[in-house]
Amino acid sequence: EPEVTQTPSHQVTQMGQEVILRCVPISNHLYFYWYRQILGQKVEFLVSFYNNEISEKSEIFDDQFSVERPDGSNFTLKIRSTKLEDSAMYFCASTWGGRAYEQYFGPGTRLTVT
Amino acid sequence: AQSVTQLDSQVPVFEEAPVELRCNYSSSVSVYLFWYVQYPNQGLQLLLKYLSGSTLVKGINGFEAEFNKSQTSFHLRKPSVHISDTAEYFCAVVETSGSRLTFGEGTQLTVNP
Repeated sequence: EPEVTQTPSHQVTQMGQEVILRCVPISNHLYFYWYRQILGQKVEFLVSFYNNEISEKSEIFDDQFSVERPDGSNFTLKIRSTKLEDSAMYFCASTWGGRAYEQYFGPGTRLTVT
Repeated sequence: AQSVTQLDSQVPVFEEAPVELRCNYSSSVSVYLFWYVQYPNQGLQLLLKYLSGSTLVKGINGFEAEFNKSQTSFHLRKPSVHISDTAEYFCAVVETSGSRLTFGEGTQLTVNP
């Protein structure tokens, strides 16, 4: 069965550094998402992306965040200047038709900001 | 906007006992409902979903959930749990026209021998 993959599984970075989290969505999917889960809290929507544009973003997704599909297979989340409170598990998801009930989630990247 | 409330943060049960994990939602528009499971150090796996039709939906691993529109609930049940069901369970909703999932706080199910 096709699956969404994410790298790295765990990233440790120092406050103020830039990080890029990578996702490889399922190959024929067209809609891509990032969610975040701070330890012990609920999973929160960050951003959705379609046709090389952001479709929707949450209030969490401020100017320090950006997303990109640099090639035909990868989907990245960049945090420009990390803060301690960015420490969380970041999940990528993808769908073919943009419907939530079709969303497949990746295993997540745990980001630790020290 | 939607919101989801999972009424129990932790549910400890003994193996082979039945379990119910409670979920209530709030929305001014029609929604789809989901339950996801997260095993330790793993991602989110879809257990089951309600889109339309029969209010009783069956999912993987013997779980089922019942959609109750009047009570705005979508409780998850399993008649007999196993040790391997120990995990965090998340209820989620989305507008029928949308794609942004809104999750509850999660319920940690711990199955003891």
